[in-house]
Amino acid sequence: KAGVTQTPRYLIKTRGQQVTLSCSPISGHRSVSWYQQTPGQGLQFLFEYFSETQRNKGNFPGRFSGRQFSNSRSEMNVSTLELGDSALYLCASSSLGLAYTGELFFGEGSRLTVL
Amino acid sequence: TQLLEQSPQFLSIQEGENLTVYCNSSSVFSSLQWYRQEPGEGPVLLVTVVTGGEVKKLKRLTFQFGDARKDSSLHITAAQPGDTGLYLCAGARTQTYKYIFGTGTRLKVLA
Repeated sequence: KAGVTQTPRYLIKTRGQQVTLSCSPISGHRSVSWYQQTPGQGLQFLFEYFSETQRNKGNFPGRFSGRQFSNSRSEMNVSTLELGDSALYLCASSSLGLAYTGELFFGEGSRLTVL
Repeated sequence: TQLLEQSPQFLSIQEGENLTVYCNSSSVFSSLQWYRQEPGEGPVLLVTVVTGGEVKKLKRLTFQFGDARKDSSLHITAAQPGDTGLYLCAGARTQTYKYIFGTGTRLKVLA
């Protein structure tokens, strides 16, 4: 079956702009989580959605937001971009329910560069 | 706050050597996973351990979950160039709905 699809793969923005990233999970997966990966901080959890509800949010400013649609597709938005937002943004889908001990299936990521 | 510390951070070894990567925390996790990430790709799951003291083997890779479920190790026997990549441990606690990833170990195996 098709894997997790993230778009766009690469994008360049300037400070102050906003960006929207999209993630299509594996068919049947209702959990989608987002992570920011940088060389200095590693993989940092942004948020997790399950059936359109945000179940947890990481320690990121309010400029970072997300949502999930009824078809489980998810988007994340970053407003008022800063240089430090340059990173690889990874989306992961899972069939996890309440137990949350299963496998995360990652997309290839969206690499954001802020100039 | 980084709750999962991995060591070493970088490792460069010759083909055929053995190595161990450690993942340590002061917190208890309900499960712990190991992922490998190659350039330009997302992490791919290698193993999940859920029971304290559990040992799992995957061909040349051996994974262990500490008795107290606070730490884990990954041992590779007779490393091969194909083992090159970024190794990440990730811990989860029931009903927190997130995984906390370790700081990562970048492994390079030279032919």
